[in-house]
Amino acid sequence: QVQLVESGGGVVQPGGSLRVSCAASGFALRNYAMHWVRQAPGKGLEWVAFIRDDGSNKYYVDSVKGRFTISRDNSKNTLFLQMSSLRPEDTAVYYCAKSQGSDGGNSVYFDYWGRGTQVTVSS
Amino acid sequence: SYVLTQPPSVSVAPGKTASISCGGNNIATKSVHWYQQKPGQAPVLVIYYDKDRPSRIPERFSGSNSGNTATLTISRVEAGDEADYYCQVWDNSSDHPNWVFGGGTKLTVL
Repeated sequence: QVQLVESGGGVVQPGGSLRVSCAASGFALRNYAMHWVRQAPGKGLEWVAFIRDDGSNKYYVDSVKGRFTISRDNSKNTLFLQMSSLRPEDTAVYYCAKSQGSDGGNSVYFDYWGRGTQVTVSS
Repeated sequence: SYVLTQPPSVSVAPGKTASISCGGNNIATKSVHWYQQKPGQAPVLVIYYDKDRPSRIPERFSGSNSGNTATLTISRVEAGDEADYYCQVWDNSSDHPNWVFGGGTKLTVL
């Protein structure tokens, strides 16, 4: 069965950096695009970043462009999100989500989600 | 960017039918997907491409999309259906794709 397990969350000061990871199992990661989606405390879902199956295309929500970098290691079945210049408004649970497609043109929904990792930006 | 509007809350008695709307400009031209999120849990896909159901989702869940409104319908509502529900579309109208969520609707089972 498909499993996505996030890790690496924690408390970081404003301006700091953090890398969160997502270990995938139960499917061939190399065949699917992947996303990060976040949820601030008491708020709704917000898409953050996309990476296609081979890592050649990446997209970001405007609020994290230039600060966050999504990447993947298909040989290790792992997805990453490197976050820098963190702000208090980046505080959220970060979910790893699998796409049903492989690239930006056919990846229209999220068919499996991890349980998330908490990132708190606070001094 | 594309905006999806959902009512903040919907209440329904057990055994009755719940309808959760998702409004967007000419949303019928887009495919709408729905997620259920129970407290402290990850979201779960319940409807994709307007009306298709993953095999693990009960037949009581259905979807439709017309004009400016998409609707998630839950028949014979059970206490276990109490959750937040989010609609989502893929929008390609800007310089790159965006995955847009509605604000979410809290379903309360009375």
